[in-house]
Amino acid sequence: QSALTQPASVSGSPGQSITISCTGPSSDVGDFNFVSWYQQHPGKAPKLILYFLSNRPSGVSDRLSGSKSGDTASLTISGLQAEDTADYYCCSYTSSGTWVFGGGTKLTVL
Amino acid sequence: QVQLVESGGGVVQPGRSQRLSCAASGFSFSTYAMHWARQVPGKGLEWVAVISYEGNNKYYADSVKGRFTISRDNSNNTLYLQMNSLTTADTAVYYCARGPMTMYSLDSWGQGTLVTVSS
Repeated sequence: QSALTQPASVSGSPGQSITISCTGPSSDVGDFNFVSWYQQHPGKAPKLILYFLSNRPSGVSDRLSGSKSGDTASLTISGLQAEDTADYYCCSYTSSGTWVFGGGTKLTVL
Repeated sequence: QVQLVESGGGVVQPGRSQRLSCAASGFSFSTYAMHWARQVPGKGLEWVAVISYEGNNKYYADSVKGRFTISRDNSNNTLYLQMNSLTTADTAVYYCARGPMTMYSLDSWGQGTLVTVSS
């Protein structure tokens, strides 16, 4: 159950777009589309922002989108806003019936 | 409105046990799988365990397997995590989360309860 691999940090300017990658073994990210993404602001609980790679829960901005290529899933945030500054985590269901999180990515909107 | 409230955190000595509870309201608790996840302060999230809606199926992270037990009481809308043989590495904020299997995700989270394992 190794954590999925995410970049430690990314940054961007307001209005720009950024992409956060999430790489895992083929038995997890590669074989399933059961990848979800979470946003966490300091001192707050995580919030689900994408599920099934690219589906947005009700109320989540359409500036957020997701995709996958091979063993790597990606979260793209377009039109960056100051409120997007937060930590982002990917998560995948695994072939063992468990779940695994990525190490997390700190997004800074400069 | 979905509400999940964890309790039971605190300071516990290494080698001892602690039981966490998560009181659920605002949804049909008995029809959802439920998860525990944890986060060392300042560090990333770690998935801990999941239990099926009826309580028959349980899965654990390797780091807690054999020491932690997840359970639920659907008549009282409560999720539990029994933690035994605690070590300092188990110090973390523990979150309960709802896990709809139609989404294969953790769609609602509690605010967490801090467990500190220290002598």
